[in-house]
Amino acid sequence: KQEVTQIPAALSVPEGENLVLNCSFTDSAIYNLQWFRQDPGKGLTSLLLIQSSQREQTSGRLNASLDKSSGRSTLYIAASQPGDSATYLCAVNKGPGNMLTFGGGTRLMVKP
Amino acid sequence: DADVTQTPRNRITKTGKRIMLECSQTKGHDRMYWYRQDPGLGLRLIYYSFDVKDINKGEISDGYSVSRQAQAKFSLSLESAIPNQTALYFCATSGATSGTYNEQFFGPGTRLTVL
Repeated sequence: KQEVTQIPAALSVPEGENLVLNCSFTDSAIYNLQWFRQDPGKGLTSLLLIQSSQREQTSGRLNASLDKSSGRSTLYIAASQPGDSATYLCAVNKGPGNMLTFGGGTRLMVKP
Repeated sequence: DADVTQTPRNRITKTGKRIMLECSQTKGHDRMYWYRQDPGLGLRLIYYSFDVKDINKGEISDGYSVSRQAQAKFSLSLESAIPNQTALYFCATSGATSGTYNEQFFGPGTRLTVL
């Protein structure tokens, strides 16, 4: 059974800092991995999707990497801003259109 | 307008009551999913449907049932609500792009409290 773990569970950083969020998964046979952002009381917003054949994806100040063989993904946020404060979730997909297995999330606070 | 909508957004109910959560989507996707989120546990899959005639149980389907009334509508029912079903419920959709299914798109969630 796939298990997804995110460390740390919570993180507080000053504005402007670069930071890395970690995601690990136990079964390397994945189809893709998605990073989401969740704001309090709101739904999930997809940030980046990495296919199993890819090593990384970038969108603006966000960069996600994938090392399938070691069961790890990282989300790098450059020059963090208070507006980045949210919970970040990673989820792995074992097959096209199949169910996602989620990690518990990292709650990020960026202080002005 | 939002692509994936959920109603109600908030609901408080009592133990033993039947309750239905509804999800509608305008994305034209054929695959729909119901997840629940508990604090610190991430999201877990309850049921999923690959088309109107295809319904599948997820990881935690006990105590829940679903109905796929049309391609755009997928409802989740709690036949007899209990307090440990208090959670945040999300609907999601997925559609084929160039023959493959990739991203899932989520609704805003329904916060359900069972007293």
